[in-house]
Amino acid sequence: EAEVAQSPRYKITEKSQAVAFWCDPISGHATLYWYRQILGQGPELLVQFQDESVVDDSQLPKDRFSAERLKGVDSTLKIQPAELGDSAMYLCASSLAASGAYEQYFGPGTRLTVT
Amino acid sequence: EDKVVQSPLSLVVHEGDTVTLNCSYEVTNFRSLLWYKQEKKAPTFLFMLTSSGIEKKSGRLSSILDKKELFSILNITATQTGDSAVYLCAVEGGSQGNLIFGKGTKLSVKP
Repeated sequence: EAEVAQSPRYKITEKSQAVAFWCDPISGHATLYWYRQILGQGPELLVQFQDESVVDDSQLPKDRFSAERLKGVDSTLKIQPAELGDSAMYLCASSLAASGAYEQYFGPGTRLTVT
Repeated sequence: EDKVVQSPLSLVVHEGDTVTLNCSYEVTNFRSLLWYKQEKKAPTFLFMLTSSGIEKKSGRLSSILDKKELFSILNITATQTGDSAVYLCAVEGGSQGNLIFGKGTKLSVKP
């Protein structure tokens, strides 16, 4: 069964350092999402891609966060510099299209701890 | 502001009990409501609801949507320890048509 792949699964970094997360969506899925989930909360959307284009990044803290999906397949989310408040689970999801008719499939997530 | 509110936030039951989880929402441009189960990793999809009054069922789990009263319930009958998880409700809508998640209900099923 096809799955969304993410790496690394866990990352510990010191504040002010740079970190990067990678996501490979299910083959053929045009829409890719990055979410942040703080412990005890539901996931919050950071950025949505349709193919290689950003559809929505209104909740992305652009002073320190960046995301790209250069070839419209896999994607990278970067934080520079990391802050203590960035400690969270970063989830990637993909769907066939950006529509209510298509469910989003989530990857296993990257758990980030900033010390 | 668009919001999704789940209740209770946590629940402890014994195996065999029936539970009802609640999700209410105030979201503009509603498209669908989804339920996810999250154990120690990524959320896994349970149901997508778009029409009022039509029950979706999968084994011991069922869900229904009321678009007039703006809520949904997730029922789990004859609970098992494997049902222990956080159950997330999400509504697709808002100005961008994205998923807006509630905080989740943490269900613990004791043997």
